[in-house]
Amino acid sequence: AQKVTQAQTEISVVEKEDVTLDCVYETRDTTYYLFWYKQPPSGELVFLIRRNSFDEQNEISGRYSWNFQKSTSSFNFTITASQVVDSAVYFCALSEAQGLGTGNQFYFGTGTSLTVIP
Amino acid sequence: EPEVTQTPSHQVTQMGQEVILRCVPISNHLYFYWYRQILGQKVEFLVSFYNNEISEKSEIFDDQFSVERPDGSNFTLKIRSTKLEDSAMYFCASSKNRESGANVLTFGAGSRLTVL
Repeated sequence: AQKVTQAQTEISVVEKEDVTLDCVYETRDTTYYLFWYKQPPSGELVFLIRRNSFDEQNEISGRYSWNFQKSTSSFNFTITASQVVDSAVYFCALSEAQGLGTGNQFYFGTGTSLTVIP
Repeated sequence: EPEVTQTPSHQVTQMGQEVILRCVPISNHLYFYWYRQILGQKVEFLVSFYNNEISEKSEIFDDQFSVERPDGSNFTLKIRSTKLEDSAMYFCASSKNRESGANVLTFGAGSRLTVL
């Protein structure tokens, strides 16, 4: 079973439009962490945000905002007033608490490819 | 801004050849990881490494794969006898602290492996 589902494979928006990328996760752990990473055309994975399961406060960082809803197991990402530089693949990831000394294994979604058209 | 560096950026090899991918994690990080991404697919966990030993590995990480940290700075992934299906982007990552599950992974830019 998929631990992280990103149902939107590709999204295209016109510059300055708002866009929301969906992420639904599945875990039996009560303590877990959710992440968003951006993969621009150059290929690297760039960390955007981490949220722990006990913190349901929404977060805003500039044009980016995240909505974490435990009731629906969702951690959606909204870009306001999109720009061409936002064009990238965005990955949502889940990490479950496994005990000290074990590091952590990320479960990535399949990614959403966002294209912002000028 | 400290970063994880990976070499080579792209390697082309013949099926059956051995390949070593190299990574220099961030210097004060304790945990090291390899992930891979087959073209157009999701990023998949291969292995994590802590205190000079493998702490966790996935089903993908079979006997053809090995990791080591030979000199305290480099972290390598070796594929003994490459197969066509090993063609992928391989990402190295490192993380700093020991807080279970919460580690922010800093990823390198990736090494693209093409097996012919």
